[in-house]
Amino acid sequence: ETGVTQSPTHLIKTRGQQVTLRCSSQSGHNTVSWYQQALGQGPQFIFQYYREEENGRGNFPPRFSGLQFPNYSSELNVNALELDDSALYLCASSLDGTHGYTFGSGTRLTVV
Amino acid sequence: AQSVTQPDIHITVSEGASLELRCNYSYGATPYLFWYVQSPGQGLQLLLKYFSGDTLVQGIKGFEAEFKRSQSSFNLRKPSVHWSDAAEYFCAVGAPYSGAGSYQLTFGKGTKLSVIP
Repeated sequence: ETGVTQSPTHLIKTRGQQVTLRCSSQSGHNTVSWYQQALGQGPQFIFQYYREEENGRGNFPPRFSGLQFPNYSSELNVNALELDDSALYLCASSLDGTHGYTFGSGTRLTVV
Repeated sequence: AQSVTQPDIHITVSEGASLELRCNYSYGATPYLFWYVQSPGQGLQLLLKYFSGDTLVQGIKGFEAEFKRSQSSFNLRKPSVHWSDAAEYFCAVGAPYSGAGSYQLTFGKGTKLSVIP
């Protein structure tokens, strides 16, 4: 079975720009979550999608938005990038939340 | 709201020695509890999880953890550490969503493990 894959692995953006990060869930998983991990910190929950609908959101502003597609892949969009958005963004998938979440290797975003 | 405390930022052990990483959580009900490991520049790998039942949980790579409700703890243990165990370890608590069968994870700040040959 394939795991969770994220693209791109690294990217550099300028403050004020917009970025889209992509995630392909593990086969058979219908739930996808996104986390932000700043340097030296634990991951922080951004939001979660369950069967294409957002069903949970952490303490992140509306400029962080997302989508889940019918094949359960997902996108994270961030508008008006700020320097503090520089972090590792992790995608995780699960089947109904059972058996835990499988994480991808992440996308390292640098905002300059 | 739930929270997780990992009191040790950095631990150094000798190869072959035993290991215990501490984790305390705050949550109003019976939590889902997890330990994840992260190697530099990598994502998170699930070591073990507790949902219910037996409070001593066995995981991958020879790790185990014990859920102690009275102490709000879920400490990770390994009897003999290998050099390849050097990594960062994260404890997490899962807060279930009612009826959705899923939950969000709240992570601690992590404990970095160094292993001396």
